[in-house]
Amino acid sequence: SQQGEEDPQALSIQEGENATMNCSYKTSINNLQWYRQNSGRGLVHLILIRSNEREKHSGRLRVTLDTSKKSSSLLITASRAADTASYFCATDAIVGAGSYQLTFGKGTKLSVIP
Amino acid sequence: DGGITQSPKYLFRKEGQNVTLSCEQNLNHDAMYWYRQDPGQGLRLIYYSQIVNDFQKGDIAEGYSVSREKKESFPLTVTSAQKNPTAFYLCASSISPGLRNQPQHFGDGTRLSIL
Repeated sequence: SQQGEEDPQALSIQEGENATMNCSYKTSINNLQWYRQNSGRGLVHLILIRSNEREKHSGRLRVTLDTSKKSSSLLITASRAADTASYFCATDAIVGAGSYQLTFGKGTKLSVIP
Repeated sequence: DGGITQSPKYLFRKEGQNVTLSCEQNLNHDAMYWYRQDPGQGLRLIYYSQIVNDFQKGDIAEGYSVSREKKESFPLTVTSAQKNPTAFYLCASSISPGLRNQPQHFGDGTRLSIL
């Protein structure tokens, strides 16, 4: 089952604007991860935020996590055409003794118009 | 450069035919995973392996089979029992399934279609 759900499903912005994507989940997590997928390619890991962290930065990316609301947001500042991709959040879940798997949402499709 | 290689990039299956998708990694990762992605959807876990000669079913294992004879390799067979195999298949790996707070590394996928 898919625990993470991204919002919006699609987002179109002008180059230079900021893009904000949201992710909601249902059960307790240890960490939440964001991935990017360019069309026809595999996923690329962007950033991981642990459940005891509230905010994390990496370059033009800013991720926040609110465990009380079971939600996270990904902010891309000063967007570029090359940021056009689908963005997925993923949460970890225990699947057996000492092992964990990631559960992915359906993604937000971001289009950055030059 | 270390990474995950999936082949072929495109694959076509005839009715009643089994096909095998290749996944090789040189990252020295213990854990490997197979996901299926349908248009506009997220990833769904098919199978995963924590160690050589061991693998576990994921959420949608029916109609699929895997093997893990070598640490570097985790091939996926789509059998004729899988009635709707058309999808984008992604292979991933991570350092260890027992370690939390680690990312997964993905290959560039195989797109499977029915003839």
